[in-house]
Amino acid sequence: QKEVEQDPGPLSVPEGAIVSLNCTYSNSAFQYFMWYRQYSRKGPELLMYTYSSGNKEDGRFTAQVDKSSKYISLFIRDSQPSDSATYLCAMSDSGTYKYIFGTGTRLKVLA
Amino acid sequence: SQTIHQWPATLVQPVGSPLSLECTVEGTSNPNLYWYRQAAGRGLQLLFYSVGIGQISSEVPQNLSASRPQDRQFILSSKKLLLSDSGFYLCAWIVKGGTEAFFGQGTRLTVV
Repeated sequence: QKEVEQDPGPLSVPEGAIVSLNCTYSNSAFQYFMWYRQYSRKGPELLMYTYSSGNKEDGRFTAQVDKSSKYISLFIRDSQPSDSATYLCAMSDSGTYKYIFGTGTRLKVLA
Repeated sequence: SQTIHQWPATLVQPVGSPLSLECTVEGTSNPNLYWYRQAAGRGLQLLFYSVGIGQISSEVPQNLSASRPQDRQFILSSKKLLLSDSGFYLCAWIVKGGTEAFFGQGTRLTVV
C-alpha cells in the first residue's frame, strides 16, 4: 500500500466551478500536510500547508485535514483557466524528516 | 535568501553509462536535502534524503545512490544507467520542521 494515495485525474471543470481535490494516507505519523501546484516541466510550488487537523483558508483556496480519517482535501472556489495545472498533496513526518508526495491530480478549467 | 541550484537541466545518456547530478544550496546551513524522481505524468517519488553530511536515507532500493560530501551539496549517482532511470529529477531543500519544499530547476534525464 502506498503511503499517500491521490486520484491522478484528469479532472475537467467549467470556469467558476468549485473544485475538490483529495488525498488519503496511511502513515499516522504525518503531521504537516501541504498542497503544491505544478505547471508542465516546472518544479512544484507550495500553495498552502496545514499542521495537524482543521481547516485553513487562503483566498480562493481552502485546505482541510481530517486526521481521524487520514484524509485531506483542497477546495478551489471560483476556478479560473489559470488554475489549470497538476495539484500534488504532500505530507511530512517531522520525526523522520520523510516528505512524501501524492501522484498529483491534473486539473483543467475550461473557459 | 535561500536558493537551490541543480544541474545539468537536460541530459541524454546511453544505457550502462554512469550518472552524476549535483545539487547545491545557498543561504542556509545544515539543510535537509532530498532527491525526487518524476516519471512522465506521475507524482514525485522520494529517492533519498539527507539531514546532514554523510547521512543518507534511501526510500526505494534501485540503481541509484546518493552522497552528501559537504553541508550544502547533495549528489545523485549511478554506476550504470538503465532505461528505466529516465525521468525528471528534482533536488529539494525542505524547511526543518517539514513544511515548505524549495526545488531546483530539475534535470530531465533520458537514457537511450
